[in-house]
Formats: sequence, structure tokens, C-alpha cells
Amino acid sequence: GNSVTQMEGPVTLSEEAFLTINCTYTATGYPSLFWYVQYPGEGLQLLLKATKADDKGSNKGFEATYRKETTSFHLEKGSVQVSDSAVYFCALNSGGYQKVTFGTGTKLQVIP
Amino acid sequence: GAVVSQHPSWVICKSGTSVKIECRSLDFQATTMFWYRQFPKQSLMLMATSNEGSKATYEQGVEKDKFLINHASLTLSTLTVTSAHPEDSSFYICSASSSGGADTQYFGPGTRLTVL
Repeated sequence: GNSVTQMEGPVTLSEEAFLTINCTYTATGYPSLFWYVQYPGEGLQLLLKATKADDKGSNKGFEATYRKETTSFHLEKGSVQVSDSAVYFCALNSGGYQKVTFGTGTKLQVIP
Repeated sequence: GAVVSQHPSWVICKSGTSVKIECRSLDFQATTMFWYRQFPKQSLMLMATSNEGSKATYEQGVEKDKFLINHASLTLSTLTVTSAHPEDSSFYICSASSSGGADTQYFGPGTRLTVL
């Protein structure tokens, strides 16, 4: 079956530091890949997505590249801000069905 | 973006009682709603998918008689945990979709259920 593995948190960084949150997946076929973000007290929001190999999703300074050869979709940001503090979920959707498989989430804390 | 609300945001109940959780799409019509459950430090696990006016489709291992789902309108779905027990304590999250794939799912803020 499908699965998503992402690095355990929490991740604590100083403001303006470089961020990487690793995500690898196992899936049949050609899944679409997503990163969701959950700010404190709010629902999950779609941060970025990629639908095929070598696609790069980007939003709000975050990027992730769909690497089929390594089955990875690592999230990166060059310079984090305090406002980026949240929980980040890697996820995939396989086929036309809307079912989404999530990773366990990684909490990011950015300190001034 | 689209907004999905959940009510209540947290609830504490006694073992054996039933608890109802509401999920509402506030500014769009949701033809499909999803219910997830999240244990501490674990991923969101899909419990069931409901389409407006139809019976919910439950994932393997989820007791449909224990977790009753009703999707009576295009803006409201309810999850009722019947005869709740401490092992049902969890974080329940709904999402709603008007159509299309996973990137059009909008998530609610979640409901924390504690069963004493």
C-alpha cells in the first residue's frame, strides 16, 4: 500500500536559517505529491504540490522537487521566518481517487 | 481560500456516551467530505468518505456502527462517536471537497475528543 515517511521533529531553527524537511514515499503508479501546513489552531492548508516526476512545487518561498528515482519530495526554504512555525505534512494521492495518504507531520519552530 | 469549520473544537465526555462532531463548509458546496483521525505523533488516518445524500464509505478496520457519518447537505457532515470509550480519544479532522483531486480538499481545524 501507499505510505509516506517524513523526518521526526520537532525541528528548531533560528530565523533566516535554511530549512530541509525530508519526505520519502512508497506508492503504486504515479502519485501526486503534496506538502500541507498546519498553523496553530488552524486546519491543514495546501502549501505546494507536484504531479509528475521532476516537477518542482513552490509557494511562499518553500520548494519541493518530485524525485522519482529516490522516491522523495523534500521540503526546503532558504530563509525561514518566525511566522513559518507550524506543523508540515507530506502527503500523496495515487490515481483519480481523492484519498490522501499523510506522513506523521514535522513540527517546525523558528526562534528569533 | 475556502473555509471549513468544525464544532466543537474540543470535547470531554464520559465513557459510554455519544458525541457528535460537525463539519461545515462555510463558503462552498462540498460534494465530498472526508473524516480523518490523528493519534499523537502519528499521521492522519482516513476513516471514511461521504458524498452528499449517500452512505459513507468506510476504510478497512473502521467500525461503521461506532462512527456514524451523515452528510445531509452540501455544507454539513456530522460524525457521531457512539458509546465512546477511552480508546476513542483522539483528534478528529474533517476535510471537504467540491470536486476534483486531492489538492481541492480543504481541512477543518480538528476536534479533540477525550473520553474519560
